[in-house]
Amino acid sequence: FMLTQPHSVSESPGKTVTISCTRSSGSIASNYVQWYQQRPGSSPTTVINEDNQRPSGVPDRFSGSIDSSSNSASLTISGLKTEDEADYYCQSYDTTNQGVFGGGTKLTVL
Amino acid sequence: EVQLVESGGGLVQPGRSLRLSCAASGFTFDDYAMHWVRQAPGKGLEWVSGISWSSGSIHYADSVKGRFTISRDNAKNSLYLQMTSLRAEDTALYYCAKDVAASGTHAFDIWGQGTMVTVSS
Repeated sequence: FMLTQPHSVSESPGKTVTISCTRSSGSIASNYVQWYQQRPGSSPTTVINEDNQRPSGVPDRFSGSIDSSSNSASLTISGLKTEDEADYYCQSYDTTNQGVFGGGTKLTVL
Repeated sequence: EVQLVESGGGLVQPGRSLRLSCAASGFTFDDYAMHWVRQAPGKGLEWVSGISWSSGSIHYADSVKGRFTISRDNAKNSLYLQMTSLRAEDTALYYCAKDVAASGTHAFDIWGQGTMVTVSS
């Protein structure tokens, strides 16, 4: 299956943005979805694990959810800060235990 | 400090081999599955391979199956990726990533800084 994300999104500081991740086949609820943030020139870091769990140190401005009706996962960032500007990737895995990443979404905070 | 440090990347000719290493510290290495993820220049992330804590469960992306071999040495807190029959499309920054579970859930909580592999004549 594939995970499809919007290529880019933009929003103003202080606002809320939601990035979607749509699974092409099979249920989004079948396997956990993770979200990773990658700032330019840096390694990825985890912002959401297992659909909606925030690793320690990740601010509660970041939240994750899944929606079976649209077969998609979402990452919502509230109270946007300029430091949130980055690429965001969703990720899951298939029945053969192969990992699948979405194509990534470039978030611009302007 | 929890840390993953990759090494072994470099410039290699098509068809040749290369072995990547990932040194882990700051956590109990043999309690967790580990993975390799790569990123071609200017492109997105691609999962490459994963190995459970005991090496009893190993998986590969179709793009590298039969050419790459993942392994680990728990006594040395190290993860490896043996890459053979390298192609230009294998050119990427290779990251080592720690899973949150022993068996492997594809939920990564720690990433290394990456090691660059360039396949070119």
